[in-house]
Amino acid sequence: KNEVEQSPQNLTAQEGEFITINCSYSVGISALHWLQQHPGGGIVSLFMLSSGKKKHGRLIATINIQEKHSSLHITASHPRDSAVYICAVPENTGNQFYFGTGTSLTVIP
Amino acid sequence: KAGVTQTPRYLIKTRGQQVTLSCSPISGHRSVSWYQQTPGQGLQFLFEYFSETQRNKGNFPGRFSGRQFSNSRSEMNVSTLELGDSALYLCASSLNRRLTDTQYFGPGTRLTVL
Repeated sequence: KNEVEQSPQNLTAQEGEFITINCSYSVGISALHWLQQHPGGGIVSLFMLSSGKKKHGRLIATINIQEKHSSLHITASHPRDSAVYICAVPENTGNQFYFGTGTSLTVIP
Repeated sequence: KAGVTQTPRYLIKTRGQQVTLSCSPISGHRSVSWYQQTPGQGLQFLFEYFSETQRNKGNFPGRFSGRQFSNSRSEMNVSTLELGDSALYLCASSLNRRLTDTQYFGPGTRLTVL
């Protein structure tokens, strides 16, 4: 049983395309994190959100707590967006932190 | 502010040995969490330390342990290494508890067990 499901697993897009990555979870949470991991391992936290929507540059993250679903959108994708995107949910009890398997994004010039 | 640092960056050990990894959080951050990343299992939560106390622990055997010092620096120890312990070990720090704060990740320590 996977507490966090991400889709798609792999995604290839042309530069400029609009991209959506989805995350569904089954545990009770108070917040959800979107992470970005570039080749070489470094992880950057993109968003931490508990409701509604957040925007940072070309990145937009939304969450629907009732439906236990979050999406990460990238507008006007660029080759430098190529990375693995991971959603992560800390369980409400605070005893566990679950990760999706990641979405590997490749943006072709 | 300097970011999260981890030492060493790369490590090669043999089965049965033990290893200690170090993590220095961003200045002022009090929470340090540790994660294991493998190609097969992805990212998995190991444990979290806050104010020198282990607050949470993931589903890992007792061979995995850690501690946090008064300056918030943290160490993680793995005893009796197994081949399956080969992984990227990441630590992350946050200002307070990880549930509500953004986490800042270190570059990781890549451990290879032969």
